[in-house]
Amino acid sequence: GENVEQHPSTLSVQEGDSAVIKCTYSDSASNYFPWYKQELGKGPQLIIDIRSNVGEKKDQRIAVTLNKTAKHFSLHITETQPEDSAVYFCAATMGGSWGKLQFGAGTQVVVTP
Amino acid sequence: DARVTQTPRHKVTEMGQEVTMRCQPILGHNTVFWYRQTMMQGLELLAYFRNRAPLDDSGMPKDRFSAEMPDATLATLKIQPSEPRDSAVYFCASGLYGTDYEQYFGPGTRLTVT
Repeated sequence: GENVEQHPSTLSVQEGDSAVIKCTYSDSASNYFPWYKQELGKGPQLIIDIRSNVGEKKDQRIAVTLNKTAKHFSLHITETQPEDSAVYFCAATMGGSWGKLQFGAGTQVVVTP
Repeated sequence: DARVTQTPRHKVTEMGQEVTMRCQPILGHNTVFWYRQTMMQGLELLAYFRNRAPLDDSGMPKDRFSAEMPDATLATLKIQPSEPRDSAVYFCASGLYGTDYEQYFGPGTRLTVT
């Protein structure tokens, strides 16, 4: 069945350094890959996404890359700040179905000043 | 500022009691999702609706869970009878099928069943 694996499970970085989170998926029909940020006690917040016809997308300090051949995609955060500390989730559509997302297990990112 | 709202934010109940969680999707969105989040299983899709019709509820335990959309501004998730293993955070999300792929999550309902 569909499976999304996310690594690492925890990531500690110094303020100003970069953070990279990687995800792999198994369903070749997956065509949409969002990333969510979840702060304590809140719902997941969509921060960036990419569709299968695009290899890379950037929004200020955040970028996402997609390699469809290898079935993996990554989140890059540059110049990290303490407010970037949160749990980050990757997701992929299941079976190409609109809206039906399979989530990774999450990465706890801690940015230390 | 359009956002998904959920009530109640917290619910503590005893095993065997009925629990109803409510969600108001973003105005104009035609698709509503229910998710459950636990430490062990992470974020799981329970069910989703489009134009108020159920499309997929394969992630939901059928014997005790039910989801409905009485109208376009209200989605409900009901558990009857509740069990301790149902303790989790339940999220509602909404999106606009046909225009974009984004899903926007509500703040969640934290359910504790004792």
